[in-house]
Amino acid sequence: NAGVTQTPKFQVLKTGQSMTLQCAQDMNHEYMSWYRQDPGMGLRLIHYSVGAGITDQGEVPNGYNVSRSTTEDFPLRLLSAAPSQTSVYFCASSYSRTYEQYFGPGTRLTVT
Amino acid sequence: GESVGLHLPTLSVQEGDNSIINCAYSNSASDYFIWYKQESGKGPQFIIDIRSNMDKRQGQRVTVLLNKTVKHLSLQIAATQPGDSAVYFCAESGGSRLTFGEGTQLTVNP
Repeated sequence: NAGVTQTPKFQVLKTGQSMTLQCAQDMNHEYMSWYRQDPGMGLRLIHYSVGAGITDQGEVPNGYNVSRSTTEDFPLRLLSAAPSQTSVYFCASSYSRTYEQYFGPGTRLTVT
Repeated sequence: GESVGLHLPTLSVQEGDNSIINCAYSNSASDYFIWYKQESGKGPQFIIDIRSNMDKRQGQRVTVLLNKTVKHLSLQIAATQPGDSAVYFCAESGGSRLTFGEGTQLTVNP
């Protein structure tokens, strides 16, 4: 199993640009989530999904959209990038919220 | 809102000593708790978890203690090794979300 994969690993955007961060898992997990991690900080939940077709907001959802059309994929869309969105983004998956979450390697995003 | 926090941002120990990392949480409805380890440049890695119907759970060299009365969680690492140097996060779940604390940087001195 590849586990949780994220692409790209690094990305630089200009303010106002949009992009999609990709996340995929091959463990047939129902629960997937996106976090952002700012320097020296913990992880903050952006959006999560408890199954295909179901998504919900986390702590810091503004400026981000998600969709879950398949069990495997959970893309994160930045609608209009802002410097405040400079961060490392992690995708995670698990059987449910009360089971171990497996994290991807992260995407380091810089918005100038 | 509900939050999970850690008592100390840094902890420095000697190799071979036992380490204790503490975590306080505020959501009394939380029923699931996890400890993660994060090495520089990597994603968090699962260490151990505990459900609210337990007070203690042991793994290989690690023990998690849960005190629901005072909403306190701790991670004990036995015989700490240089490879244990990392940031450690606690996380709690009470509802559909998993909420992370800010992390403790553990440094193991040879």
